[in-house]
Amino acid sequence: GDSVTQMEGPVTLSEEAFLTINCTYTATGYPSLFWYVQYPGEGLQLLLKATKADDKGSNKGFEATYRKETTSFHLEKGSVQVSDSAVYFCALSGSSNTGKLIFGQGTTLQVKP
Amino acid sequence: GAVVSQHPSWVICKSGTSVKIECRSLDFQATTMFWYRQFPKQSLMLMATSNEGSKATYEQGVEKDKFLINHASLTLSTLTVTSAHPEDSSFYICSARDAVQPQHFGDGTRLSIL
Repeated sequence: GDSVTQMEGPVTLSEEAFLTINCTYTATGYPSLFWYVQYPGEGLQLLLKATKADDKGSNKGFEATYRKETTSFHLEKGSVQVSDSAVYFCALSGSSNTGKLIFGQGTTLQVKP
Repeated sequence: GAVVSQHPSWVICKSGTSVKIECRSLDFQATTMFWYRQFPKQSLMLMATSNEGSKATYEQGVEKDKFLINHASLTLSTLTVTSAHPEDSSFYICSARDAVQPQHFGDGTRLSIL
């Protein structure tokens, strides 16, 4: 079945460092791909998405490119801030259009001043 | 942007009681709502998918008699944890979508059963 694998955390960075959180997926057909962010004690917020190969999603300085050849959707940010500290989830929605999301295990990011 | 409201945000109750959690889409009509459970420092586990006006579809291993889901209108779905016990303590999160938008999530409900 469909699945999502994220790099294990926690990832600890200094402020203004470059961030990469790896995400790879296994799916049949042409899934849509998402990154969600969860701040402590809260639900998930959609950070960015991409619906087809080579699409680049971007928001708040974060970017991710849908790479079908490597089945990846890595999250990047050029300069992280302390306020970016959160848990980041990569997810896919399969081509069956049920709307179900399959999540990766989440990666905790800690940014130190 | 789309907003999903979940209530209550935190509930503590005695073992054996039933607890109802509400999930509302505030500015769009949610044809589908989802209920998730999240254990500490883990990912979200989909419990059930709820379409307005029809019975919820439960994921394998989720007890439908334990976790009652009602989606009576396009803006409201409820999850009732019946006869809750300490092992039901968890963080429950709902999400909602329509035909166009991706899932938007509520802020979650922390349920603690004593």
